[in-house]
Amino acid sequence: ILNVEQSPQSLHVQEGDSTNFTCSFPSSNFYALHWYRWETAKSPEALFVMTLNGDEKKKGRISATLNTKEGYSYLYIKGSQPEDSATYLCAFKGGSEKLVFGKGTKLTVNP
Amino acid sequence: GAGVSQSPSNKVTEKGKDVELRCDPISGHTALYWYRQSLGQGLEFLIYFQGNSAPDKSGLPSDRFSAERTGGSVSTLTIQRTQQEDSAVYLCASSLWSSGMGETQYFGPGTRLLVL
Repeated sequence: ILNVEQSPQSLHVQEGDSTNFTCSFPSSNFYALHWYRWETAKSPEALFVMTLNGDEKKKGRISATLNTKEGYSYLYIKGSQPEDSATYLCAFKGGSEKLVFGKGTKLTVNP
Repeated sequence: GAGVSQSPSNKVTEKGKDVELRCDPISGHTALYWYRQSLGQGLEFLIYFQGNSAPDKSGLPSDRFSAERTGGSVSTLTIQRTQQEDSAVYLCASSLWSSGMGETQYFGPGTRLLVL
């Protein structure tokens, strides 16, 4: 059974703080690692798809790194804003078409 | 352009009834996926379509669950004789192609199903 773990489960930060979360996944049979942002009552929004060891991707104040050899990815948010409040999901793609998701990190940014 | 749409957005049903959930993928996307999130759980894969065929149905939890896709477009997920443990958010996603390491799956807003 594939196991994708995210930590922490939830996080409360103040506006302006920088923060980061972790996703750990199997280091074998790796194809891709996806990050999504999911706000309540909305569609999960694709942030990044990462495929190469050492990949770093950036979108505005959000960035992510990937280590496929040790099986982890970090998501960083610089200068958090209240609108960043959401659940951040990572998903592992191995040899099949399905994505295997972690349970997510719920971020709350207080003004 | 239009994203993935799902209907209904919310559904309340009584135990034992059948329900149908609909997904309209992004136009031109050949691959379509169904996932669900039960309370306290992560998103769980149910079934994947490439065109109208379903090469991977491994995530369907029981034979009460079935899905079809017609015309390479719309898909319906049917749950027969619903049980309370079927209560969940059912999400549909589509992607341009199914193969390829870096293909993004685009999600709809989900159907929130509550079985009383």
